[in-house]
Amino acid sequence: GAGVSQTPSNKVTEKGKYVELRCDPISGHTALYWYRQSLGQGPEFLIYFQGTGAADDSGLPNDRFFAVRPEGSVSTLKIQRTERGDSAVYLCASSFSGGAGETQYFGPGTRLLVL
Amino acid sequence: GQQVMQIPQYQHVQEGEDFTTYCNSSTTLSNIQWYKQRPGGHPVFLIQLVKSGEVKKQKRLTFQFGEAKKNSSLHITATQTTDVGTYFCAGGMGAGNNRKLIWGLGTSLAVNP
Repeated sequence: GAGVSQTPSNKVTEKGKYVELRCDPISGHTALYWYRQSLGQGPEFLIYFQGTGAADDSGLPNDRFFAVRPEGSVSTLKIQRTERGDSAVYLCASSFSGGAGETQYFGPGTRLLVL
Repeated sequence: GQQVMQIPQYQHVQEGEDFTTYCNSSTTLSNIQWYKQRPGGHPVFLIQLVKSGEVKKQKRLTFQFGEAKKNSSLHITATQTTDVGTYFCAGGMGAGNNRKLIWGLGTSLAVNP
């Protein structure tokens, strides 16, 4: 079956602009995760959804970052007033039910570059 | 705060040599997962360890979880060029909280043919 997909694959924007990054999880997966990965670093947790609700958003760096999952499937990560430091690969992952230690299946990521 | 340390950061080996990466947590983990990320790719799940002292094998890969559930290791026997990539450990921090994995910085493995 289809894996996790993310669009766009690459996004170049200017400082101060607004961007939206989309994630399509594996069909039937109720848990969805957003991570940010900078060059040479491991993935950094941002937010976790269980269904439509954000169960844990403790990783969002500040209030410029927001994510939604209105129908419990597709999720959008929104970044306002982008800064150069936001440049990174934004990874989305999904798991079947969000249970303890479940395998997280990652999408290919969106490479965001803020000029 | 909660941290997962991973060493070494880089390892360069000759094909056929063994390779080991170590993962240490400042707190007791509920479980630990290992992922492999190829250059330009995304993390791919390898295995999960849950029990104290657990050892699991996948062909040439051996994974261990420490008795205190604070450390783990991945050992590759007789490396091949296909083993090239970055190996990450990611720890679950406790009941109800282990959906949020805390990731190590990874060990990048280069293999000379």
